[in-house]
Amino acid sequence: GENVEQHPSTLSVQEGDSAVIKCTYSDSASNYFPWYKQELGKGPQLIIDIRSNVGEKKDQRIAVTLNKTAKHFSLHITETQPEDSAVYFCAASIGWGQFYFGTGTSLTVIP
Amino acid sequence: GAGVSQSPSNKVTEKGKDVELRCDPISGHTALYWYRQSLGQGLEFLIYFQGNSAPDKSGLPSDRFSAERTGGSVSTLTIQRTQQEDSAVYLCASSSQGLGTEAFFGQGTRLTVV
Repeated sequence: GENVEQHPSTLSVQEGDSAVIKCTYSDSASNYFPWYKQELGKGPQLIIDIRSNVGEKKDQRIAVTLNKTAKHFSLHITETQPEDSAVYFCAASIGWGQFYFGTGTSLTVIP
Repeated sequence: GAGVSQSPSNKVTEKGKDVELRCDPISGHTALYWYRQSLGQGLEFLIYFQGNSAPDKSGLPSDRFSAERTGGSVSTLTIQRTQQEDSAVYLCASSSQGLGTEAFFGQGTRLTVV
């Protein structure tokens, strides 16, 4: 089955700086890669996703890049704000069936 | 609301009791997922339903766990003879399936076994 690894497990940045979270996957059949943000006491919320026919996608301060050859994808958050503090999960899917999640990154933005 | 709804939001039960957790997916979503999240941990897959197909139960940790989905909509996760290690947040998600469609999560049910 698919194996998704995520790094780092914790990340602290100063407000206004950028944050980068990286994930790798093992199954070349995976073609859909969502990112979720989970705030304390809440369910994961989809923030951005990318499909395998695209190399990069951007939505305001958030961007995701995908390298299919190397089987890795990354989340980039620019101009970080305190409200970006949360746990972030990457995931991979072959388009049906379960989503395989990374182990999460706890991001702290220091004001 | 239009999101995934889970009930109850919190459940405290005594060891050995049975519990039922409910998930109302987004209307029209054919795929439904259950995940478990232990304190400070990642998301552990439990079971996946897709339309009328046989569910993928490969993630259920023991035969004390079961789930059903009635009429292709509401799902119930049942844990029999609960143990303390069952304490976790149980998350439900749904998606309209197809190629790489988004999955949306509910707020979860926090289960505490005492």
